[in-house]
Amino acid sequence: AQSVAQPEDQVNVAEGNPLTVKCTYSVSGNPYLFWYVQYPNRGLQFLLKYITGDNLVKGSYGFEAEFNKSQTSFHLKKPSALVSDSALYFCAVRDPPNTGNQFYFGTGTSLTVIP
Amino acid sequence: DAMVIQNPRYQVTQFGKPVTLSCSQTLNHNVMYWYQQKSSQAPKLLFHYYDKDFNNEADTPDNFQSRRPNTSFCFLDIRSPGLGDAAMYLCATSSRTGNTEAFFGQGTRLTVV
Repeated sequence: AQSVAQPEDQVNVAEGNPLTVKCTYSVSGNPYLFWYVQYPNRGLQFLLKYITGDNLVKGSYGFEAEFNKSQTSFHLKKPSALVSDSALYFCAVRDPPNTGNQFYFGTGTSLTVIP
Repeated sequence: DAMVIQNPRYQVTQFGKPVTLSCSQTLNHNVMYWYQQKSSQAPKLLFHYYDKDFNNEADTPDNFQSRRPNTSFCFLDIRSPGLGDAAMYLCATSSRTGNTEAFFGQGTRLTVV
């Protein structure tokens, strides 16, 4: 079974500082990992994904994520946080091809960037 | 732009009065999903379609039904809404291949009065 865990409900960071939002995964086979952001009263917005290849994945709005197979982690990072990055962040893993169509979401991490 | 569109954005319904939420897509994706999300929690999958193949989650109440008349449209019917059904309802689509992300609509905020 596929699952992801986000160990932090809330992350606070000062504007201009680097931010990290943590995610660990548990999968059978190769992981298909995703990060989404959600602003209030909006749908989920795709940020980036890891399927294969380079362990450092670059995505939208200056975000990147590092895939670490030995630690089964896929942490979201940004070198310099903006107040506008304050939102709810979800990590997700997808069923491998031909085994299903589901996405499994973490519990979410609320990021607050303090001016 | 290709996208997932949900209507309406906000829906107020009376307790027990049937309500239908709609979702359309221009991505031509063969998988469509309906999620329920309450107060900043993780989205909870209600059901999904792979083409016309309907897949219901085991814990989805019978009060929730869905229709997919064609590739582009999918509907969520709540037959007798209760106060506990007030939530954000999210529609999403994806292609069958495992390397593609899910594309979400803006959601419908349902209020039950």
